[in-house]
Amino acid sequence: QIILRDSGPTLLKPTQTLTLACSLTGTSVSATGRGVGWIRQPPGEALEWLAVIYGDDDTRYSPSLNGRLTLSRDTSKNLVILTMTNMVPLDTATYYCASTFYGDPRHGFDPWGQGAPVTVSS
Amino acid sequence: QSALTQPASVSGSPGRSITISCTGTSSDIGAYNYVSWYQQRPGGAPTLIIYDVTNRPSGISNRFSGSKSGNTASLTISGLQTEDEADYHCSSYTTRSTLVFGGGTKVTVL
Repeated sequence: QIILRDSGPTLLKPTQTLTLACSLTGTSVSATGRGVGWIRQPPGEALEWLAVIYGDDDTRYSPSLNGRLTLSRDTSKNLVILTMTNMVPLDTATYYCASTFYGDPRHGFDPWGQGAPVTVSS
Repeated sequence: QSALTQPASVSGSPGRSITISCTGTSSDIGAYNYVSWYQQRPGGAPTLIIYDVTNRPSGISNRFSGSKSGNTASLTISGLQTEDEADYHCSSYTTRSTLVFGGGTKVTVL
């Protein structure tokens, strides 16, 4: 059984950089075909896709985030790390990591982590 | 990338069927058969219930079914049960190799 757990700071000030970690259990982040994506959800609002890293380390980012995102793997700790720069209050949301279904985000994401709530406020 | 369009809310009586629409463009829903649907209960993370327009992951009830026509995908829940009360989100792969979600639909069982 694959389990994802997302973690990171719960409170940031404007202009700070957010770093979130997604820990995988039951599989390796470097396993062939193992992709991991990040999705966020502002309070009471819709889901928004942010980024995905494929098994071959190829990455795709949401164009609406204008180059603020970086995805990487830490294979020694079995983690996928999301970095988002220049945080603003509108970035306040619950951030989820999720495993690609059948190894490909075109088929969707499952399972998901429990979500990491992040508030940006001065 | 604009979000896909879903109705804000849909309701139905127990045992009846409801359908949730998800409208996109020829650059996303209309381009591929890569539409997914997720169920999200209050306070919980989303769960995949439909992938590739019509397919159900293992363990998902056959009361959930998906379809697509042109730029619009649909999720039908038949034999509505109180446990189906949740938010439902559609998602599609796009011609820019990105993903886009819908605005979400709140389902209420009357």
